[in-house]
Amino acid sequence: AQSVTQLDSQVPVFEEAPVELRCNYSSSVSVYLFWYVQYPNQGLQLLLKYLSGSTLVKGINGFEAEFNKSQTSFHLRKPSVHISDTAEYFCAVETDSWGKLQFGAGTQVVVTP
Amino acid sequence: DGGITQSPKYLFRKEGQNVTLSCEQNLNHDAMYWYRQDPGQGLRLIYYSQIVNDFQKGDIAEGYSVSREKKESFPLTVTSAQKNPTAFYLCASSIDSSGISGELFFGEGSRLTVL
Repeated sequence: AQSVTQLDSQVPVFEEAPVELRCNYSSSVSVYLFWYVQYPNQGLQLLLKYLSGSTLVKGINGFEAEFNKSQTSFHLRKPSVHISDTAEYFCAVETDSWGKLQFGAGTQVVVTP
Repeated sequence: DGGITQSPKYLFRKEGQNVTLSCEQNLNHDAMYWYRQDPGQGLRLIYYSQIVNDFQKGDIAEGYSVSREKKESFPLTVTSAQKNPTAFYLCASSIDSSGISGELFFGEGSRLTVL
């Protein structure tokens, strides 16, 4: 069974500063990795995904993530955040159980001026 | 526009009552899912369905029931047997049942509060 650990429950950041959200997973098999974003009282929206190929994945809204197989990590980064990036971010892993994602506990990002 | 519609957005229930949350999608997706979200716990899978008239239990199915009589619809009933039903419920769908990487598309959620 796989598990997903998001190492920070909350990340405060100033506007225009960079941000990194950390995600580690445990799995002995090939994985597919996702980052989702959730704005208050809304559903989740896909930011980016890693299925195969290049380990650096670019997503929407200027986010990118790097898959590191040896460290079993999939950290999310953005070089310069905006106030509108204030949201909760979820890392998720899918292995051989098609369509069944295991989600991390989430990281709340709070961007202040 | 194509998407997933959940209703109601907010629901209050007295203890001992069953409630049904609606989920409808017009994306022509084969697979549908119900997740429960609690603060600090991420999303936990309740039930999922890969095709019409078939569904499987997820990680926390006790106290819940579902049906999948139509491709577009996947209602969730929270029964009185669910001991702690107050939560945010999210419905999702993915494009097909043929294989890898079902990117999930989510509805806007239903917030259930038990009084």
